[in-house]
Amino acid sequence: DVKVTQSSRYLVKRTGEKVFLECVQDMDHENMFWYRQDPGLGLRLIYFSYDVKMKEKGDIPEGYSVSREKKERFSLILESASTNQTSMYLCAIKRDLNSGTQYFGPGTRLLVL
Amino acid sequence: GDSVTQMEGPVTLSEEAFLTINCTYTATGYPSLFWYVQYPGEGLQLLLKATKADDKGSNKGFEATYRKETTSFHLEKGSVQVSDSAVYFCALSIPNSGNEKLTFGTGTRLTIIP
Repeated sequence: DVKVTQSSRYLVKRTGEKVFLECVQDMDHENMFWYRQDPGLGLRLIYFSYDVKMKEKGDIPEGYSVSREKKERFSLILESASTNQTSMYLCAIKRDLNSGTQYFGPGTRLLVL
Repeated sequence: GDSVTQMEGPVTLSEEAFLTINCTYTATGYPSLFWYVQYPGEGLQLLLKATKADDKGSNKGFEATYRKETTSFHLEKGSVQVSDSAVYFCALSIPNSGNEKLTFGTGTRLTIIP
């Protein structure tokens, strides 16, 4: 079974803080993704990575950056958190190169005060 | 660009009722189509998928058929249970696009009452 873990289930941060969300996979999968989930908007792609030190912007990258120094770990960084970044953040990996199927972590619910 | 439109929720049904959640898509290529489910407090799980026209995906009593002529992938279940209460997302991806992202619909919250 594919296992995707996220460092926190719930986080509360203050406006202006730097926030790190971490995602770890237990297999040697290359493609990793960060989405945010908001009511009425579904999931939107923030960034993805197809290999170590490689990253691509998704649909809503503004206000975020990412880091992938090791294959198993993909970090999402909020350089200066704002209240409009309050959301559920979901990490996913893509296992099969010939299939679009992605496997998701449990999510991190972030509240920015 | 690519997009997915799915039935607005919330949807409330009685146990053993028939379920349909509509999903239509717009895509520039030949997409793969997915239904994901999110149970309360959890991440998304793949429910079923179809990769080409006329394919039927099925799992846990749910079914969806890839209809290219109507660009649809409606989710159905003949007899729902309380445990099916969740949020359901329709999604697509374009194989070999170099992007590999999933494009999601807005989600449909389903509540089954005993």
